[in-house]
Amino acid sequence: EVQLLESGGGLVQPGGSLRLSCAASGFTFSNYAMTWVRQAPGRGLECVSAISDSGGSAYYADSVKGRFTISRDNSKNTLYLQMNSLRAEDTALYYCAKGARRSCSGASCYAFDYWGQETLVTVSS
Amino acid sequence: EIVLTQSPGTLSLSPGERATLSCRASQSVSSSLAWYQQKPGQAPRLLIYGASSRATGIPDRFSGSGSGTDFTLTISRLEPEDFAVYYCQQYGSLWTFGQGTKVEIK
Repeated sequence: EVQLLESGGGLVQPGGSLRLSCAASGFTFSNYAMTWVRQAPGRGLECVSAISDSGGSAYYADSVKGRFTISRDNSKNTLYLQMNSLRAEDTALYYCAKGARRSCSGASCYAFDYWGQETLVTVSS
Repeated sequence: EIVLTQSPGTLSLSPGERATLSCRASQSVSSSLAWYQQKPGQAPRLLIYGASSRATGIPDRFSGSGSGTDFTLTISRLEPEDFAVYYCQQYGSLWTFGQGTKVEIK
């Protein structure tokens, strides 16, 4: 059974940092791309970052580019999201999700076939 | 960026009725379209990928159709557990999500 368990969320002041983690099990982690998707309160879904199976390529939404860094440790079956210079508009539930493929092929990417249960990030003074 | 527009915003139906949800893309995404279901307090769940392929464990009352710019999710007979918010997502050019359609009990 695929399981994705997020951690690391919390309350942080504007300009602060947090690191989210996602522990994966139930599949061969190193064979699949992984993503972070967020959902602001009462809002829709936004893919903020994605990383290929090997970690060799990464994607960032314009809203987080230069502030967030995605990484993975395939030896630990864990995905990370380092979030710096946090803003109020980053307040959201953050989900990690498994990609259905190893990586994008050009701009043609993949659906997200399994999702974790979320971690809440609140940016407020 | 490809914009996805879902309609209607809210669909009020009774259990046993048929639900038809629409998703229109601002440019062609071929068949690179997925549908997700999200219930309150839960993570989204993949229902359909490749516009028409059901994900693992998804009941056959859920079906997807379309290609290019116009897509449809059909729930043939609504069960009580189907009342939820549904999102479409294109992955033909990176990713974008639609704004969601809420299927509520009439």
